[in-house]
Amino acid sequence: DAGVTQSPTHLIKTRGQQVTLRCSPKSGHDTVSWYQQALGQGPQFIFQYYEEEERQRGNFPDRFSGHQFPNYSSELNVNALLLGDSALYLCASSFQRGLAFFGQGTRLTVV
Amino acid sequence: AQSVTQLGSHVSVSEGALVLLRCNYSSSVPPYLFWYVQYPNQGLQLLLKYTSAATLVKGINGFEAEFKKSETSFHLTKPSAHMSDAAEYFCAVSPDDSILTGGGNKLTFGTGTQLKVEL
Repeated sequence: DAGVTQSPTHLIKTRGQQVTLRCSPKSGHDTVSWYQQALGQGPQFIFQYYEEEERQRGNFPDRFSGHQFPNYSSELNVNALLLGDSALYLCASSFQRGLAFFGQGTRLTVV
Repeated sequence: AQSVTQLGSHVSVSEGALVLLRCNYSSSVPPYLFWYVQYPNQGLQLLLKYTSAATLVKGINGFEAEFKKSETSFHLTKPSAHMSDAAEYFCAVSPDDSILTGGGNKLTFGTGTQLKVEL
């Protein structure tokens, strides 16, 4: 079991650009959540996908969008990147409202 | 809205000493509570969870936590610290709702406590 896998592990983008982060859930899981963890802070909930629909959303602007595919994998898209978007982006998967298992994260640096 | 507060952003203990990391929650309904650990440049690993089955919860790596409703607390303890316990620890809360009604396992995290273990 590969667990939750995220790609890429690191990337650097320029202000104003767009970025796509990817997540493959743990085998048997059907729900994917995304979190943003700024340096020195706890993770903040961005949104959650279940049955290919966004089910919940945290306090993040519309620049943050996502998608869930039929195989339960998910993408997080961020448009018009700001310096403040620099963070570790964590994906968590679960079976419905069960335990969330986290991936290693994608470190995004916006310059 | 549910929230958790972690008291002490940095805690330092000697190897072999008791570890106590504090977490207080705010919730109008019985919550699900969790402790996660994060090692440098890593994701989050679940240590333990409280789901109302038992007030004393045992987790991995010798950690345990006690749910105290009267104190709205869920403090994490370990009797004897090891150098490998040095990491950041996060307390989190989740509503006990079905995902289909908008609840699910959305987690609200505290700001974290950095644990340092000294020889």
